[in-house]
Amino acid sequence: EAGVAQSPRYKIIEKRQSVAFWCNPISGHATLYWYQQILGQGPKLLIQFQNNGVVDDSQLPKDRFSAERLKGVDSTLKIQPAKLEDSAVYLCASSRRLAGLGGELFFGEGSRLTVL
Amino acid sequence: QKEVEQDPGPLSVPEGAIVSLNCTYSNSAFQYFMWYRQYSRKGPELLMYTYSSGNKEDGRFTAQVDKSSKYISLFIRDSQPSDSATYLCAMASDYKLSFGAGTTVTVRA
Repeated sequence: EAGVAQSPRYKIIEKRQSVAFWCNPISGHATLYWYQQILGQGPKLLIQFQNNGVVDDSQLPKDRFSAERLKGVDSTLKIQPAKLEDSAVYLCASSRRLAGLGGELFFGEGSRLTVL
Repeated sequence: QKEVEQDPGPLSVPEGAIVSLNCTYSNSAFQYFMWYRQYSRKGPELLMYTYSSGNKEDGRFTAQVDKSSKYISLFIRDSQPSDSATYLCAMASDYKLSFGAGTTVTVRA
């Protein structure tokens, strides 16, 4: 079974530029998550999709971050304009069931963003 | 107050030692308790998974949950250099999964 695929693995941009990250979850997984992990901290949920509907985006900075999951499969996370504090690893995860119902999350290797 | 508190360490132990990790939490609604292991520059992977209070053992790993104290622990027996990683506790209720800050562990050969 193929794992969660993310790209690009690394991205360096200047502040106020835009960036997009792509995620392809494990086949058949209905739930997709985007987490932000700042160095030395645990992952922080940005947005959670169930199929192609949003379950939770309460911690997504909507003035600069956007995410979509077309056709309930792969997903894109965009940041525009980027700030210095957006430097982090962006982790995508998927699960067959919701975490709160016992679903196990499978993570990709992450996309490391550096904002200069 | 954060929902999940975890001492970030770092923790350094000699090979063969017992590693003890723990987290506290404030949300009584959490029902599922997990430990994820994250190697450097990799995504987290599920290590242990428990539901409600009690102990669960898997090889060299033991997870404990005490819901009355809102406290969970992970013990690693006979630690190996390959156990060197960051260990993240995570807790779930309904659709929500919350992570601790992670404890970085180094096992010295």
